[in-house]
Amino acid sequence: GQQVMQIPQYQHVQEGEDFTTYCNSSTTLSNIQWYKQRPGGHPVFLIQLVKSGEVKKQKRLTFQFGEAKKNSSLHITATQTTDVGTYFCAVETSGSRLTFGEGTQLTVNP
Amino acid sequence: DGGITQSPKYLFRKEGQNVTLSCEQNLNHDAMYWYRQDPGQGLRLIYYSQIVNDFQKGDIAEGYSVSREKKESFPLTVTSAQKNPTAFYLCASSARGGHYGYTFGSGTRLTVV
Repeated sequence: GQQVMQIPQYQHVQEGEDFTTYCNSSTTLSNIQWYKQRPGGHPVFLIQLVKSGEVKKQKRLTFQFGEAKKNSSLHITATQTTDVGTYFCAVETSGSRLTFGEGTQLTVNP
Repeated sequence: DGGITQSPKYLFRKEGQNVTLSCEQNLNHDAMYWYRQDPGQGLRLIYYSQIVNDFQKGDIAEGYSVSREKKESFPLTVTSAQKNPTAFYLCASSARGGHYGYTFGSGTRLTVV
């Protein structure tokens, strides 16, 4: 089935530094979703990207969908300790089900 | 407030026993899903249901069973045939098609000893 590769698996940053996680697919995607899971918590939906080259912003978070709709990125500007958690991308596969990437675990040192 | 309720939060069972995890939603969502998450890993789909009285196997359905008798409820039974049942189980729901994102419950941590 549809798979996405997410990198890096782990990222440690100092508070104030930027952070980026990437999702890559070998096939063209219809859309991609991003979720955040705080330590000990459950995934929370952040955003969905649908259009080629789409860029969406949520405060310090910037989401991009590649022109070929085969990759996506999530960039956080000036990380804060509240950004700690695991960020997952997810893609729609057959039967309208989501397949999740392995996630990028972000830690932020104050 | 609308949402998804999973119970219990923590569950301990002896090996060889079946156990049922509860998932209830009041979001009026058509579709419901069960995922399994192991420490430091992503989410793997166990079963999903897009309409009442119908469900499909996900990627790791062996050793699990589900039912969807009501729109609001999608219980998951972890049977004794599941070789490694200790995990974090997450239930989710979405409007038909999932185009507006999934809403997850707070999860059940199952430990089998």
